[in-house]
Amino acid sequence: EDKVVQSPLSLVVHEGDTVTLNCSYEVTNFRSLLWYKQEKKAPTFLFMLTSSGIEKKSGRLSSILDKKELSSILNITATQTGDSAIYLCAVVTNTGNQFYFGTGTSLTVIP
Amino acid sequence: DAGVIQSPRHEVTEMGQEVTLRCKPISGHDYLFWYRQTMMRGLELLIYFNNNVPIDDSGMPEDRFSAKMPNASFSTLKIQPSEPRDSAVYFCASSLAYGGDTGELFFGEGSRLTVL
Repeated sequence: EDKVVQSPLSLVVHEGDTVTLNCSYEVTNFRSLLWYKQEKKAPTFLFMLTSSGIEKKSGRLSSILDKKELSSILNITATQTGDSAIYLCAVVTNTGNQFYFGTGTSLTVIP
Repeated sequence: DAGVIQSPRHEVTEMGQEVTLRCKPISGHDYLFWYRQTMMRGLELLIYFNNNVPIDDSGMPEDRFSAKMPNASFSTLKIQPSEPRDSAVYFCASSLAYGGDTGELFFGEGSRLTVL
């Protein structure tokens, strides 16, 4: 059965800390891995990763994929209270255009 | 484009009542997905359509749930009869095949359902 597992489930940090969120997957016919940020409403897209070892970066956020380890990490440096959200990882397969989501990591950044 | 549009945004109903959630995908997207999100189980895929045809409904919890997509611009998710355990946020999402160039799945704002 295809599955996506995220860790930790929740995390509380102070402003300015650096955090690393993990996503591991077991899917048949991997195509890509996506990261989303969800605040109060709908998930919003952060990154798509398809190749191992190539870092995607956007401001203080960065992510990398390791296809050998079947995992990805999302790093957030110099965290701010606005980074508080649920971070979702999803894996897309080549069969049937399926998007499999993990349960998410709830990040709380306190001033 | 206005994005994926869902209605209603909030629904409070009593157990046993019929609930209909609606979705308008982004024009040109040929895939439409219905997800349910709860604290305990995260985002669960209920069903998805390709070119208006249901492809995989294995996530639909039971016969009380049904979904239709009569045309490329409209889909409904119906729960009849509703139960308190159906309380959740229901998201509709649409995409191009494999998310297109960006790989992105576009979400609506969600319909928060509370069944008393």
